[in-house]
Amino acid sequence: EAGVTQSPTHLIKTRGQQATLRCSPISGHTSVYWYQQALGLGLQFLLWYDEGEERNRGNFPPRFSGRQFPNYSSELNVNALELEDSALYLCASSPGRLGGTDTQYFGPGTRLTVL
Amino acid sequence: ILNVEQSPQSLHVQEGDSTNFTCSFPSSNFYALHWYRWETAKSPEALFVMTLNGDEKKKGRISATLNTKEGYSYLYIKGSQPEDSATYLCAFEKSGAGSYQLTFGKGTKLSVIP
Repeated sequence: EAGVTQSPTHLIKTRGQQATLRCSPISGHTSVYWYQQALGLGLQFLLWYDEGEERNRGNFPPRFSGRQFPNYSSELNVNALELEDSALYLCASSPGRLGGTDTQYFGPGTRLTVL
Repeated sequence: ILNVEQSPQSLHVQEGDSTNFTCSFPSSNFYALHWYRWETAKSPEALFVMTLNGDEKKKGRISATLNTKEGYSYLYIKGSQPEDSATYLCAFEKSGAGSYQLTFGKGTKLSVIP
């Protein structure tokens, strides 16, 4: 079974540009989560999508946005890039809670560098 | 703001040694505690999801315990091997609004010296 995949692996942008990161969940999973790991910090929750809808977002400005497509893949868009957006962005997927806990399975991440 | 603390920050042990590290989390609004292993250049790998106070989980040489009343979990590795070298992350999941959202600690980086 294929795991969570993310593209691109690395992305280099300049301040003010927009970045688009992509995630394909494990087959059968309906929930997709985005996390940011900036230098020196733990993984910070960004966004959660389930069944095409944004269900929750973390403490990030509105220029961080995304969407989930009918095939459950997802895009994270970061507008008006700032230097501090340089980070590793991880995507995770889960099958959706069926009356119990829901393990999130992570992809390998996209390393975004803003110059 | 939820506070999840892990200690120690890093750890060097000899091959064959047993080791343990701690995750502290809020004792209120608890839903689940997740443990992950993250090797360099790989994806974080789920180890355990723990929900009940007093819960104990085991996977090979790795085990974990949970105390929700006092807000801590221990991860134990018995007879460490070089392939255990990784960063071990814990993540707190709270109940109610905000569930499904994991709050991670900064991790404990384990290096096992052959």
